[in-house]
Order: sequence, then C-alpha cells, then structure tokens
Amino acid sequence: GQNIDQPTEMTATEGAIVQINCTYQTSGFNGLFWYQQHAGEAPTFLSYNVLDGLEEKGRFSSFLSRSKGYSYLLLKELQMKDSASYLCAAHILTGGGNKLTFGTGTQLKVEL
Amino acid sequence: DGGITQSPKYLFRKEGQNVTLSCEQNLNHDAMYWYRQDPGQGLRLIYYSQIVNDFQKGDIAEGYSVSREKKESFPLTVTSAQKNPTAFYLCASSGRDRFGTQYFGPGTRLLVL
Repeated sequence: GQNIDQPTEMTATEGAIVQINCTYQTSGFNGLFWYQQHAGEAPTFLSYNVLDGLEEKGRFSSFLSRSKGYSYLLLKELQMKDSASYLCAAHILTGGGNKLTFGTGTQLKVEL
Repeated sequence: DGGITQSPKYLFRKEGQNVTLSCEQNLNHDAMYWYRQDPGQGLRLIYYSQIVNDFQKGDIAEGYSVSREKKESFPLTVTSAQKNPTAFYLCASSGRDRFGTQYFGPGTRLLVL
C-alpha cells in the first residue's frame, strides 16, 4: 500500500526557521511534491523533488532522500502569512497514468 | 485568464439526491483529477482522467461517477449511494511539464441537508 506520514501540527515564531518532515513508503514512486493550503482554499504548488538533494526557491527549500524515503520542507524568515497547512504528496506512476498520494498535512501556526 | 473553475462554491444535497459538481479548465491540460478533503485530513483521490473519453477509479470511487466528454470539462456526480458526502471537493488538472504538476480549482463545499 501507499503510506505518507507527516506531523499533524507545528508552531514557530515569526522570523524563525521551521522544518516540516515527511516520510513515505510507496510503490511506483517518481518524486515528491509540497503544496501549501490556507484554510478553506485550494492547495498551491510549492516544490517538486525528483532527484536526491536540496531544491531552493526563495524562502522555501525542499529536500529529498529516495533511499531513506524522506523529504522535508524548510521555511526561512517565517511570516504570519505562512500560517497554513503544508501537504506532502508522493508522485506515483501507474498503468493508468500519473497520480498523487497525499499525507494528511501539517498545520503550521506562526506566532509573534 | 487561464485557470480552473469549479461551481458552485457551496452545494446542498438532500437525502437520496444525486448532485453534480462542475470542473472546467482552459489550460489545455490533458489530465484532470477529483479529490475529496475531510476536516483535518489530506486529499483522497476519487477519479482521474488522462485523456478524453477515458477515466480511472481512484482510492475512494464508490458512490461517485464522472465523465470526460471534452478536454476542458470533468464533472463529478455524487450519487445517493455515497452515504457520507459532506466534504470539500477539489478538482485539479495537469499538463505536460516535466513533473506533471497538478493545479487546483477553488473547490466546492458539499453539505447534506
């Protein structure tokens, strides 16, 4: 089966750095997506890792280790608007095409 | 503007009634997806379609049906067989970029009266 694990909640301080971890056990794994979702809104794409290593995009970075089944999202210089749910999703290749399997999301609260 | 639209934003269903959620995209994407999200939960895949006139069941297809007669449109019907339909429904599409990135519509919140 497919299994994606990430912490349910995290709290951090404005201006700080936070790391959100994600572990996965899936078949047909092709890569790892991170999405941000504010309450009541649609998820928005943050990053995709297909190779091992760190991908940096402004204040956000994402890391993947395929051998360990592990990824993390790193958010720097936290702002209040970063309070949201962060969804980890495994990109799966199947006979029927591409699909994503999502974790339950990590609710990040940024405090003053 | 290019994007994905879903309608209505809120939908109310009576017991025993079928309802259809609309999803339209003008991004020229080949693939489209339907997800369900319950409070505090991640997204669960209902159905997906890689090309017109073809679709596949996702992880929770029971009680739902879809059609893909046009590339731009992928409507989802929640049938009376779906006993717990109250949820936030999200439609997504993906094109031929390197990663098959999925982009989401604004969602429809379905409530049972």
